[in-house]
Amino acid sequence: DAKTTQPNSMESNEEEPVHLPCNHSTISGTDYIHWYRQLPSQGPEYVIHGLTSNVNNRMASLAIAEDRKSSTLILHRATLRDAAVYYCTGREGGSEKLVFGKGTKLTVNP
Amino acid sequence: DVKVTQSSRYLVKRTGEKVFLECVQDMDHENMFWYRQDPGLGLRLIYFSYDVKMKEKGDIPEGYSVSREKKERFSLILESASTNQTSMYLCASSSTGTGFQPQHFGDGTRLSIL
Repeated sequence: DAKTTQPNSMESNEEEPVHLPCNHSTISGTDYIHWYRQLPSQGPEYVIHGLTSNVNNRMASLAIAEDRKSSTLILHRATLRDAAVYYCTGREGGSEKLVFGKGTKLTVNP
Repeated sequence: DVKVTQSSRYLVKRTGEKVFLECVQDMDHENMFWYRQDPGLGLRLIYFSYDVKMKEKGDIPEGYSVSREKKERFSLILESASTNQTSMYLCASSSTGTGFQPQHFGDGTRLSIL
């Protein structure tokens, strides 16, 4: 079964970069790694995804290790609105099921 | 934008009641999911459906059932509610297409069983 491991919590200061790590040694080589975030009182929202190479979008960057056993979500300049729980995930086998870990709660200090 | 709408944000029911949680999506997605979210446990999949009238058990299906009679609607049923089913319930949908297809979530139903 796919499994993800993330730190329970991290803290950052506003305007500083944040690197959120995830270990996902059991996600298969052909499955995407995706990240979601959950703001308070909302459902999770998609952030970014990748397969083998590093990816950038307007929200974040995703750095994927060469062996695909880990990845890092990078917020280049944290803002107070980035305070959320961040989940990395991947599909389980060939199904549409995503395996969510417990997520990392990011606190951003002003 | 994709919209996943859950019928209630907050719901209070009594032990032993039959409880229905409704979810509707407006993007013609094939796949729909029900999760529960508890502090310290993250998101856990209860059931999912990849087509009308099709369903598959997730990681914690005990005490729950689901219904998908129409493509846009996926219902979660607590047959006889118990206090340990007090939780946040999240519905999601996704498309079955080529390439990457993210899941889109509703804002959740916070269910309390008294």
